[in-house]
Amino acid sequence: GAGVSQSPSNKVTEKGKDVELRCDPISGHTALYWYRQSLGQGLEFLIYFQGNSAPDKSGLPSDRFSAERTGGSVSTLTIQRTQQEDSAVYLCASSLQGHLSYGYTFGSGTRLTVV
Amino acid sequence: GQNIDQPTEMTATEGAIVQINCTYQTSGFNGLFWYQQHAGEAPTFLSYNVLDGLEEKGRFSSFLSRSKGYSYLLLKELQMKDSASYLCAVNRGSTLGRLYFGRGTQLTVWP
Repeated sequence: GAGVSQSPSNKVTEKGKDVELRCDPISGHTALYWYRQSLGQGLEFLIYFQGNSAPDKSGLPSDRFSAERTGGSVSTLTIQRTQQEDSAVYLCASSLQGHLSYGYTFGSGTRLTVV
Repeated sequence: GQNIDQPTEMTATEGAIVQINCTYQTSGFNGLFWYQQHAGEAPTFLSYNVLDGLEEKGRFSSFLSRSKGYSYLLLKELQMKDSASYLCAVNRGSTLGRLYFGRGTQLTVWP
């Protein structure tokens, strides 16, 4: 597609429920990133996929968080047993491998609210 | 932490020039980025510096000094639409494409 697409744009869920957030990167971009942005905080790295390499999961805050990327394209971020502190905007970005000079292209994000 | 520091807020008037500073830890440095983020929107890429010096792109310029761990974003001929958060981010080669972001500088442009 023309840009990075994320769905849903907004999600309200009850504490303890599981949620799935979807990211569809720009076609041909081999690198895909998940970040989250809490109010008044900087963007916090979560996970990074690069081609067929093992993902860098070092930013995932707990084992309730997981992500996968199927077929080198679409990615799903899953949060199990959501907590109120998980409320944030979850941003997905993609880039061409080896072309960091062009920066990432971010999606519009999913605003997650845990009540 | 990554100690990427930038001012929290700045204000300026239309037509003026503003400089937003960013300092960072120099270890493993592999490039510095500036992003613009309007409220409720995704960050958009502004600039990338990996060598010392000034990169100019229209009304926006970005400067880097690797030895000092310092960068600034210079915005000229400010317009109301430049009111946004400006994010400084650093890449460290050991972590491939991962970026470390500062908390952002909220710029308000007054008429």
